[in-house]
Amino acid sequence: GDSVTQMEGPVTLSEEAFLTINCTYTATGYPSLFWYVQYPGEGLQLLLKATKADDKGSNKGFEATYRKETTSFHLEKGSVQVSDSAVYFCALLNTGGFKTIFGAGTRLFVKA
Amino acid sequence: EADIYQTPRYLVIGTGKKITLECSQTMGHDKMYWYQQDPGMELHLIHYSYGVNSTEKGDLSSESTVSRIRTEHFPLTLESARPSHTSQYLCASSEGNKGSYEQYFGPGTRLTVT
Repeated sequence: GDSVTQMEGPVTLSEEAFLTINCTYTATGYPSLFWYVQYPGEGLQLLLKATKADDKGSNKGFEATYRKETTSFHLEKGSVQVSDSAVYFCALLNTGGFKTIFGAGTRLFVKA
Repeated sequence: EADIYQTPRYLVIGTGKKITLECSQTMGHDKMYWYQQDPGMELHLIHYSYGVNSTEKGDLSSESTVSRIRTEHFPLTLESARPSHTSQYLCASSEGNKGSYEQYFGPGTRLTVT
């Protein structure tokens, strides 16, 4: 079945450091890919998405590129801030599917 | 900003009590979901609905039940709460039957059963 694997956390960075959170997926067909973020005490919210191969999703300085050849959707940000401290979830929704498949989540701590 | 609401936000209740967690959305979405989130942050789908009068069990077995009498409302009920039900419960919704539609999440209900 479809699945999502993302790097284990926690990830601890200093402010202004470069961030990469790896995400790979297994799916039949051509899924849409998502990154969600969960700030402390809140529900998840969509950070960015990509619907087909080679698409780049971007938002708030975060980017991820849909790589079909490597089945990956790694999240990157050039310079993190303390306010980026949160849990990040990679997810996929397959064509014709009704349920989103979430990764296990990666907790990010950014130190001032 | 997502228009999906959950009440209560926090609930502490004794073993054996019946509880209902409320979830409402004002976006007219057909699909709604309930997730249980463990302390390690992983999400587990426990119930979902395609629309009014449609409910399905999710991937994680749960003693809770749900109903979908109105499009906007998807409450979750535990007939007899136990300490093992202590968790964070997240409600979500999305539009349409297929496509790249993202999910919109409520703020969650943190349930503690003593």
